[in-house]
Amino acid sequence: QKEVEQDPGPLSVPEGAIVSLNCTYSNSAFQYFMWYRQYSRKGPELLMYTYSSGNKEDGRFTAQVDKSSKYISLFIRDSQPSDSATYLCAFLIQGAQKLVFGQGTRLTINP
Amino acid sequence: GAGVSQTPSNKVTEKGKYVELRCDPISGHTALYWYRQSLGQGPEFLIYFQGTGAADDSGLPNDRFFAVRPEGSVSTLKIQRTERGDSAVYLCASSLNSGSGADTQYFGPGTRLTVL
Repeated sequence: QKEVEQDPGPLSVPEGAIVSLNCTYSNSAFQYFMWYRQYSRKGPELLMYTYSSGNKEDGRFTAQVDKSSKYISLFIRDSQPSDSATYLCAFLIQGAQKLVFGQGTRLTINP
Repeated sequence: GAGVSQTPSNKVTEKGKYVELRCDPISGHTALYWYRQSLGQGPEFLIYFQGTGAADDSGLPNDRFFAVRPEGSVSTLKIQRTERGDSAVYLCASSLNSGSGADTQYFGPGTRLTVL
């Protein structure tokens, strides 16, 4: 079983739609939960970071963590064509420095 | 300020050759990481430096891979006797390593390695 499962998509939605991206994980030692965005031929950039169960909001983005179900989500409201990218969930163990990434979901927002 | 830079941006080599990939971290960042990203996959951890020393090299796939950071700034990833399966984008990241919680890792654009 993989440590992290993420649907690779591709996912295509119309502009203005609400997008939901999800990851499940199996490692109970994961204590930090992140979402990275990666544009084509660029490095990943950090979008959201949290370490507790619950919701965290930043503008149009909401990160949700459910530690009991080992499930994290990223919601994008009022999606824009500029949100078209690959979204990677990532996890970190307390005291360790190596990020463990999901496969990435390729998202396209159609104008 | 400048972000993480990586050179070359693209490298094409023949099977069996030796390659070096360079990473310039953000100034002042003491932690440096190498990841490898195969097509359609997320990045996979290779090695982590704290200062000049490799604090965790558990992700290096075999002894053909080696990385150095002699002065605690620039790092070089070295691959000997390259194989076609080494073809991937090699990403470098750096972080401040403040010691509190999880430091944000800032990624460079990567070096796209193609082994023919």
